[in-house]
Amino acid sequence: NAGVTQTPKFQVLKTGQSMTLQCAQDMNHEYMSWYRQDPGMGLRLIHYSVGAGITDQGEVPNGYNVSRSTTEDFPLRLLSAAPSQTSVYFCASRPPGLALSGEQFFGPGTRLTVL
Amino acid sequence: GNSVTQMEGPVTLSEEAFLTINCTYTATGYPSLFWYVQYPGEGLQLLLKATKADDKGSNKGFEATYRKETTSFHLEKGSVQVSDSAVYFCALTPSGNTPLVFGKGTRLSVIA
Repeated sequence: NAGVTQTPKFQVLKTGQSMTLQCAQDMNHEYMSWYRQDPGMGLRLIHYSVGAGITDQGEVPNGYNVSRSTTEDFPLRLLSAAPSQTSVYFCASRPPGLALSGEQFFGPGTRLTVL
Repeated sequence: GNSVTQMEGPVTLSEEAFLTINCTYTATGYPSLFWYVQYPGEGLQLLLKATKADDKGSNKGFEATYRKETTSFHLEKGSVQVSDSAVYFCALTPSGNTPLVFGKGTRLSVIA
């Protein structure tokens, strides 16, 4: 299993540009989520999904869109990038069933800089 | 609401020193509690977990005990190594398919 994969690893955007951060998992996990990590702020939840066709907002959803058309993929779209979105983005997935076990598997992250 | 508070870092220790990183939480009901570790340049990985009161999670020499009476889940290791240098996150999930709630992380540096 490749686990959770994210592309790209690094990205530089100009203000106002749009882009999609890709996330995929091959573990058949129903639950997937996106976090951003900023210095001194820990991890903040952007959006999450409990299964294909179902998404919900987290703590900091503004400026981001998600969709979940398949179990495997959970892309994160920045519609009009702003410097405040400069961050490291992590995708994570969690197995179904014994959900209280709660172990999330994280991708390696995408480091995004918005100029 | 649900929240996690952990001690601020950075924490700098000499090799073989004893480590404690404090974590307290606020949650309704009986959450599951976790410690995640993030090594430089990597994503987070689960270090240990506990799903009910008085459970002790352990892994790689690290331990934490779920204390409901003090709403705490402090991380301890008896003898740290340079390779333990990382950022440590305390987290909880209140139930089922609810998202994990993370603390802000504590950076640990171990010097030889």
